[in-house]
Amino acid sequence: AQSVTQLGSHVSVSEGALVLLRCNYSSSVPPYLFWYVQYPNQGLQLLLKYTTGATLVKGINGFEAEFKKSETSFHLTKPSAHMSDAAEYFCAVSVQGAQKLVFGQGTRLTINP
Amino acid sequence: DAGVTQSPTHLIKTRGQQVTLRCSPKSGHDTVSWYQQALGQGPQFIFQYYEEEERQRGNFPDRFSGHQFPNYSSELNVNALLLGDSALYLCASSLKQTSGASYEQYFGPGTRLTVT
Repeated sequence: AQSVTQLGSHVSVSEGALVLLRCNYSSSVPPYLFWYVQYPNQGLQLLLKYTTGATLVKGINGFEAEFKKSETSFHLTKPSAHMSDAAEYFCAVSVQGAQKLVFGQGTRLTINP
Repeated sequence: DAGVTQSPTHLIKTRGQQVTLRCSPKSGHDTVSWYQQALGQGPQFIFQYYEEEERQRGNFPDRFSGHQFPNYSSELNVNALLLGDSALYLCASSLKQTSGASYEQYFGPGTRLTVT
């Protein structure tokens, strides 16, 4: 079975600072990995995904993530935080053929002016 | 291009009642998945429908059932509501790849269900 652990339920950074949201996964087979963002009272929006190929993936809004198999990690980063980045972020894992997403508990990102 | 739509947006029910939530997938998508998101938690997979059949199910009781129609839209039904069923119910749609995998899932805005 797959699982996801997001380290830090709440992360606070200053505007313009580096954003780093941590995600570790557990999977017995090669995983597909995703980051989603959820703004208040809204559904989930896909930021980026890793399925196969290049391990550094770029997404929308300047976010990127690197798949590190040896560390079973898929951390999300953004070089410079904007106030509009304040939201809840979810890491998720699935495997080929499983057809379902397994989500972490989420990390609430707060941006300080 | 319309995205995933869900109705209603909010719903208040009493314990023991039954509820039906509706979802229309993104244009061109053929697979619908349902998730339950309790307050402060990540979404949890309920089940997935493809070709009008339930293909995969999460760890939810039989009180949770669903249906997919020929136009790919879907319903989620919950019987004998409990207080613990209060949550945001999210519908996600995707396109089944020829390999059998569905990669990206696109989420709707959700239906907020409150059980009193």
